[in-house]
Amino acid sequence: EVQLVQSGAEVKKPGESLKISCHGSGYRFTGHWIAWVRQMPGKGLEWMGIIYPSDSDTRYSPSFQGQVTISADKSISTAYLQWSSLQASDTAMYYCARTAPGTGNTPFEFWGQGTLVTVSP
Amino acid sequence: DIQMTQSPSSLSASVGDRVTITCRASQGISNFLAWYQQKPGKVPKLLIYGSSTLQSGVPSRFSGSGSGTDFSLTISSLQPEDVATYYCQSYNRAWTFGQGTKVEIK
Repeated sequence: EVQLVQSGAEVKKPGESLKISCHGSGYRFTGHWIAWVRQMPGKGLEWMGIIYPSDSDTRYSPSFQGQVTISADKSISTAYLQWSSLQASDTAMYYCARTAPGTGNTPFEFWGQGTLVTVSP
Repeated sequence: DIQMTQSPSSLSASVGDRVTITCRASQGISNFLAWYQQKPGKVPKLLIYGSSTLQSGVPSRFSGSGSGTDFSLTISSLQPEDVATYYCQSYNRAWTFGQGTKVEIK
């Protein structure tokens, strides 16, 4: 069974750094892209970026380029999303998602349970 | 960047009604179009990919169509468990979501 298990909820202050994780199991971790998706309170889904754990090829949405860093450690089947300096506007639910099988780009077939990040003074 | 525009933003329909949501891409994306369902407080779920291919386990009352720039998701007979927000997503170059359509029961 494919599972993506994300790290727990975080409460941070503005200016602090943060790294959240997404552990994949039940499939070959290096064989699928892992994406990060933001959902601000009461709002829609926003694709942030994506990484191919096999070679760490990473692509960012222009809206998030330079704002976050996506990485992966294939030795422990885990992808990461990190911020160097959080802002209140980073308060959101963050999902990781695994792409479907296939060549070229594919949609997001499996999703993590989400990590709620709250940034407040 | 490709922009995805859904309409309507919300709709209210009766149980058993036929419901259609449309999604327009700002440029042609062939059939690289997926639909997701997100029930309140839940994780998004892939419903349809390749514009019209139903994901395994998705009820047959859901269907998708379209190619190029214009796409649609249809629920042939709306059920109470279909209350959710539906998102289209293009994935031909990058991955871009539409703004969502909230479906409620009248």
